[in-house]
Amino acid sequence: GQQVMQIPQYQHVQEGEDFTTYCNSSTTLSNIQWYKQRPGGHPVFLIQLVKSGEVKKQKRLTFQFGEAKKNSSLHITATQTTDVGTYFCAANTGNQFYFGTGTSLTVIP
Amino acid sequence: KAGVTQTPRYLIKTRGQQVTLSCSPISGHRSVSWYQQTPGQGLQFLFEYFSETQRNKGNFPGRFSGRQFSNSRSEMNVSTLELGDSALYLCASSLDGRGNTEAFFGQGTRLTVV
Repeated sequence: GQQVMQIPQYQHVQEGEDFTTYCNSSTTLSNIQWYKQRPGGHPVFLIQLVKSGEVKKQKRLTFQFGEAKKNSSLHITATQTTDVGTYFCAANTGNQFYFGTGTSLTVIP
Repeated sequence: KAGVTQTPRYLIKTRGQQVTLSCSPISGHRSVSWYQQTPGQGLQFLFEYFSETQRNKGNFPGRFSGRQFSNSRSEMNVSTLELGDSALYLCASSLDGRGNTEAFFGQGTRLTVV
């Protein structure tokens, strides 16, 4: 069945290091969204990517949508302790909407 | 505008009992989706309701059911509770439920089955 895989499942980084999570779909997507869930919190929307090859930035966060619209990535430059949490991608196939498995980020001060 | 409201926030139930969770979406949102979240398991999709109709259903047993009312409020019911049902249950509301617009999550209901 339809799956949206994210890698890695867990990532520990030293504060100041970069971090990247990847989201891969088996089918072409209409769009992809990214959410962040802080420990003890609920997922909060970060961004939506629609166009093939689209790149969007939010301060230290860079989001990319693959040319084939089957994969996406979230890159954080110079992580801070406030970046701790689980990052989910959410894929829109056109008639269904799937959340990825998530990447849990730990930032070591 | 008011966010997504889930009640209750915490619940402790005994095996074999049943439970009903409630979700009030953002005003104007017609789609409500439910997710089960356990440590290390991500967001497991339960079902999605749009205008009182169940449009999609995840791979959960029939003990898990839901409904949506004409005001878009949704309830989720779990019967014959098992220990493994202990989890955080999240609902999300959106305009269309298809991922074309942002989904807003409630704070969740943390269910503990003992």
